[in-house]
Amino acid sequence: AQSVTQLDSQVPVFEEAPVELRCNYSSSVSVYLFWYVQYPNQGLQLLLKYLSGSTLVKGINGFEAEFNKSQTSFHLRKPSVHISDTAEYFCAVRSGGYQKVTFGTGTKLQVIP
Amino acid sequence: GAGVSQSPSNKVTEKGKDVELRCDPISGHTALYWYRQRLGQGLEFLIYFQGNSAPDKSGLPSDRFSAERTGESVSTLTIQRTQQEDSAVYLCASSSGGTVREQYFGPGTRLTVT
Repeated sequence: AQSVTQLDSQVPVFEEAPVELRCNYSSSVSVYLFWYVQYPNQGLQLLLKYLSGSTLVKGINGFEAEFNKSQTSFHLRKPSVHISDTAEYFCAVRSGGYQKVTFGTGTKLQVIP
Repeated sequence: GAGVSQSPSNKVTEKGKDVELRCDPISGHTALYWYRQRLGQGLEFLIYFQGNSAPDKSGLPSDRFSAERTGESVSTLTIQRTQQEDSAVYLCASSSGGTVREQYFGPGTRLTVT
């Protein structure tokens, strides 16, 4: 079975401050990991993905994530957030052998001016 | 190229009526997924298609919900005898049939049952 946990439902952060959104997964096999962003009243957009290779993955809009197999984590980071980063962020996992992608419950990032 | 499209974008219906929601996937994408997102909540998986067969229907909440897909093209999600708890945004996503299955999402259909 595969599952994803996003412990923080909401994260407030001041503009230009760094941010980390946490994601932990469980799977007994190799995984593919994704972060999606959902801006207000819009569909989901892929931010970045981990398939294999380098554990540090860079995505759009200055975001990056690090795959940590020993801690089964895939935390999302940005060194300096902007007001336009205010959105909901979803972590997702697909294990080898599973057809389905499992999404976390989402983290709302609120950037404070 | 064109992304995933969904119609209608908004639908208001009376309790007890049937509704049909449509999804047009990206051309060439063999896999198609339906999700439900209630207000302030995460994504709830409903059903997955590979081609026109549905190997995973485990997320359909009741027998009032059904979905079909024509070949590797359009999919329709039908909700019969709608209830107020069906009010949500219904999201469709498609992916290639490759190993990674990165999903591309449509803008969603906002369903309101009055």
